[in-house]
Amino acid sequence: DAGVIQSPRHEVTEMGQEVTLRCKPISGHNSLFWYRQTMMRGLELLIYFNNNVPIDDSGMPEDRFSAKMPNASFSTLKIQPSEPRDSAVYFCASRDRNYGYTFGSGTRLTVV
Amino acid sequence: RKEVEQDPGPFNVPEGATVAFNCTYSNSASQSFFWYRQDCRKEPKLLMSVYSSGNEDGRFTAQLNRASQYISLLIRDSKLSDSATYLCVVNVRQGGNYQLIWGAGTKLIIKP
Repeated sequence: DAGVIQSPRHEVTEMGQEVTLRCKPISGHNSLFWYRQTMMRGLELLIYFNNNVPIDDSGMPEDRFSAKMPNASFSTLKIQPSEPRDSAVYFCASRDRNYGYTFGSGTRLTVV
Repeated sequence: RKEVEQDPGPFNVPEGATVAFNCTYSNSASQSFFWYRQDCRKEPKLLMSVYSSGNEDGRFTAQLNRASQYISLLIRDSKLSDSATYLCVVNVRQGGNYQLIWGAGTKLIIKP
């Protein structure tokens, strides 16, 4: 199994631009999570999906952030417009029915 | 008060020594517990689950104290490769779903 696949690995963009992060979970995992990690705030849950349905998006910072999961094998996290304070590492993780979590390698986002 | 608290460290430990760190959690309804390891600029990876009776995996021993609401991780005969940040994670049932609550991590540096 290839594990959780995220793209891009690195993204540098200018303030105001739209950013789209992508995630392919492990096949058969029915839950998907988007996390953000910074030095100041640690690992924060942004949103998670069960069976492609968003369950809890209370961690999404504001309306500039949106996430979709159109099918069981793909999810996106979009930031529009991006701001410098959005700079962080964004992790996607998927979970199997036995509650084993696997993280992707993350997307390192820098907004200048 | 944070839901899951850890001493951020860093713990500077000579190679071969034994090191232990704790993590406290505030939600008495916490269901399950884990230690994750995160290397610099990498994703978190599951180190071990923590069982009520305590459990051991090679040089690593995890303990749970539900009465005092803390878990611990003991590393014996530490290796240079043990240098990493160790994240304490608590699985809490919220509504009809389970959610992981993450500590901010304890940084461990093993010195030759």
